[in-house]
This record gives sequence, structure tokens and C-alpha cells, in this order.
Amino acid sequence: DAGVIQSPRHEVTEMGQEVTLRCKPISGHDYLFWYRQTMMRGLELLIYFNNNVPIDDSGMPEDRFSAKMPNASFSTLKIQPSEPRDSAVYFCASSLPAGGLETQYFGPGTRLLVL
Amino acid sequence: AQTVTQSQPEMSVQEAETVTLSCTYDTSESNYYLFWYKQPPSRQMILVIRQEAYKQQNATENRFSVNFQKAAKSFSLKISDSQLGDTAMYFCAFMGPTSGTYKYIFGTGTRLKVLA
Repeated sequence: DAGVIQSPRHEVTEMGQEVTLRCKPISGHDYLFWYRQTMMRGLELLIYFNNNVPIDDSGMPEDRFSAKMPNASFSTLKIQPSEPRDSAVYFCASSLPAGGLETQYFGPGTRLLVL
Repeated sequence: AQTVTQSQPEMSVQEAETVTLSCTYDTSESNYYLFWYKQPPSRQMILVIRQEAYKQQNATENRFSVNFQKAAKSFSLKISDSQLGDTAMYFCAFMGPTSGTYKYIFGTGTRLKVLA
């Protein structure tokens, strides 16, 4: 398996623009997670899905952030409008169904820079 | 609320020596999982080792082992025979149930440098 795939790997945009980050989980994994990593706040869980349904979005910072999972093999994290403080590395991770969900497999991350 | 604390922001160790990274956590749950993840300069997060709270035996993976003290809520990582490739950021993480869902919490990390 190719592992968790994220795109783009790097994104530079200007304040106010819409940003869409994409993730393809490992096939057969029912859980998908979005994390944000910054120097100041470390690694934060933003939201996670089970069988395409959002389970816990309490980590989503504000309404400018939204995440969707239209099917089992694709998820997006959207920021609209983007702000410089959104600059971070965004990770997607996936894990097996309950009984194995404790082990997450991370993608390579998307490094976002908002100017 | 569950918390994970890594009190050592940075550590260094000589190649081939042994180093221990500390992690403490707080939870009122009895069933949970603990992990150590490694993040090398490439930024990829890699699972190093995991421990189920219901298991008393400490997990081991080759040169990596943990000292799990459930009563003390301590979960340290020991790296034996350190190698240059072990240079990375190490994150301790907790996963457990709360309010009908699962919470995943990462510590702030320990930056480990292995010296030649």
C-alpha cells in the first residue's frame, strides 16, 4: 500500500485566499484524522471521521475551517478565508476499524504558508 | 481532562549509548493506549512503539522499549544503542475514551540529537 497520501505537499497563498488540503487514507482504514502542527501549539487534532462521518470536530479552530469526507478514500480540509496564523504543517492520518484504531498512520504532511 | 506532558524539550546522547525520554499523562480512564511517535527532519510521523494500558508487560520493539508505570501515569521511552538515524523529534501520545468518543492527545515533544 502507498500509505496515506496528502496533496499538495507545499502550499503558499495570500491572506484571504481559499486553501484546500487533500488526503487519501490507506485502503480499508475506517478512521481519518486531521492534525495541525505549529511550533507554538505543537500537534493538535482538528477533527476525525469514522466511516466518513465526523465524530469529533472540537479541535477545529473556527468557522473558517471545514472538513469533509465524501467517500472512504478521500477527505478535504478547507480554510476560507486563510490568515497568516494558519501557517502550519497539516497532517492527515488514518487507522483501522475499532480494535485497531489506536494505531494511526500519518501522511507526509502539507506545509502551508499564508502570506 | 486528559493531558500529556513531556518535560524534556531537548536531549542529546552519544552514538551507541542509551537514552530515556520521559512522558507523564493524566486520565481518569482505566483503558487507554499510549504511543511514542518519531518525527525526523523529513516531518513524517512514524510510530515507534505502543502500549495498551491493560497490559502490565512493557512493550519492546528492537532497540526501543518503554517503562510503563500505570499507577504513576508515567510512560518513558528507552532507546538502546542509539544510532545517528534516531535523531528526531519524539512525541508521546495518549488515546482513550471520553464522553462517548475517543481523545487523541500529543505531548509537546522532545528533540533528540544523537552525537557521533
